[in-house]
Amino acid sequence: GENVEQHPSTLSVQEGDSAVIKCTYSDSASNYFPWYKQELGKGPQLIIDIRSNVGEKKDQRIAVTLNKTAKHFSLHITETQPEDSAVYFCAAPNQAGTALIFGKGTTLSVSS
Amino acid sequence: ETGVTQSPTHLIKTRGQQVTLRCSSQSGHNTVSWYQQALGQGPQFIFQYYREEENGRGNFPPRFSGLQFPNYSSELNVNALELDDSALYLCASSRTQGGVTEAFFGQGTRLTVV
Repeated sequence: GENVEQHPSTLSVQEGDSAVIKCTYSDSASNYFPWYKQELGKGPQLIIDIRSNVGEKKDQRIAVTLNKTAKHFSLHITETQPEDSAVYFCAAPNQAGTALIFGKGTTLSVSS
Repeated sequence: ETGVTQSPTHLIKTRGQQVTLRCSSQSGHNTVSWYQQALGQGPQFIFQYYREEENGRGNFPPRFSGLQFPNYSSELNVNALELDDSALYLCASSRTQGGVTEAFFGQGTRLTVV
């Protein structure tokens, strides 16, 4: 929490390729790392999250990995489809646990 | 669909005016948070309400205020609107499960200040 850096800011892939988005966080006490997908004109939608007691979590074509030592976590999307095109945000809780600190977002474009 | 509903969806106000935005939280969630999302940026935390009390606040001036009602719905009020207040305002209702708090967002209210 407190500071979350996200890279890259834009990502363009061909349909069927994989996409990886990476985030780093500053608060070593953070224990929860959600990922949100935001489509144009909509609010952020929680797509997957990971707790600090596991290193990887998978849900169909999306997976998240966590490296607590290095304080970074990543979103992996395999077999990308045009409907995966959106802005993706990573987040981590602030020190008080009352809010999420968001990265600046990654605009993913999947072309067919 | 998250079950979090916000109204209105769009709003245009004049600089100096006041605005009230509304949010109905998801059933069973007793915590509501408000975020401001400027164009091309991630959401920024404004404040959180838990059981009708403010439970945390981000770096926003006092002219941003809120309320939470007994049914856990919430309002965000902004006084003396400035041009820089133009943004998407997001409401998130939360539940704590397994020691972590999951947040679910509404579709947002697009506020334009002219």
